[in-house]
Amino acid sequence: EVQLVESGGVVVQPGGSLRLSCAASGFTLDDYAMHWVRQAPGKGLEWVSLINWHGGGTYYADSVKGRFTISRDNSKNSLYLQMNSLRAEDTALYYCARGDYRGSGGHADYWGQGTLVTVSS
Amino acid sequence: DIVMTQTPLSSPVTLGQPASISCRSSQSLVHSDGNTYLSWLQQRPGQPPRLLVERISNRFSGVPDRFSGSGAGTDFTLKISRVEAEDVGVYYCMQATQFPRTFGQGTKLEIK
Repeated sequence: EVQLVESGGVVVQPGGSLRLSCAASGFTLDDYAMHWVRQAPGKGLEWVSLINWHGGGTYYADSVKGRFTISRDNSKNSLYLQMNSLRAEDTALYYCARGDYRGSGGHADYWGQGTLVTVSS
Repeated sequence: DIVMTQTPLSSPVTLGQPASISCRSSQSLVHSDGNTYLSWLQQRPGQPPRLLVERISNRFSGVPDRFSGSGAGTDFTLKISRVEAEDVGVYYCMQATQFPRTFGQGTKLEIK
């Protein structure tokens, strides 16, 4: 059974940093593109970032480019999102989602439950 | 960026009746590889999103056949043939043809 479990969400001050993790099980992370998607309270879905299945390509929304870094550790079957220079508008529930097999994120088929990041002083 | 526009934003439906949601993209979603990367997702209250349909019309594993996707180019539709109580939630279209990936604003399906 495919499972994705996010962790690392906390309350952090503006300008602070945070690293989110996503533990994958039931499939080989190596073989899949992986997304981060966020949802601000009461709002819609916003795509944040993607890493290709082979890890050679990373992509970001303009709103986080230069501040967030996506990475993966296939030996630990884990996905990460390093978040720096956090702003109030980064407050959201952050989901990791599996992309397509050996692809570039042509869809997002399995989703975790999300981890809540709150940026507030 | 490709802008995804959904209509309606809210859809009150009677149980057992059909429902339809439209999604229009600001440019063609046909990828250079020939595929059209348009997906539909459902988000029930308090739950993470769930993939229903990918590449316009391919139902994902376990999705009931009352859900169907259609369309081409820039105009796409999700249809529910007979709405059930468990279908309540917000539905999103998502394009994955171009970076950044983008979602529609969401359509809230509720029971009359």
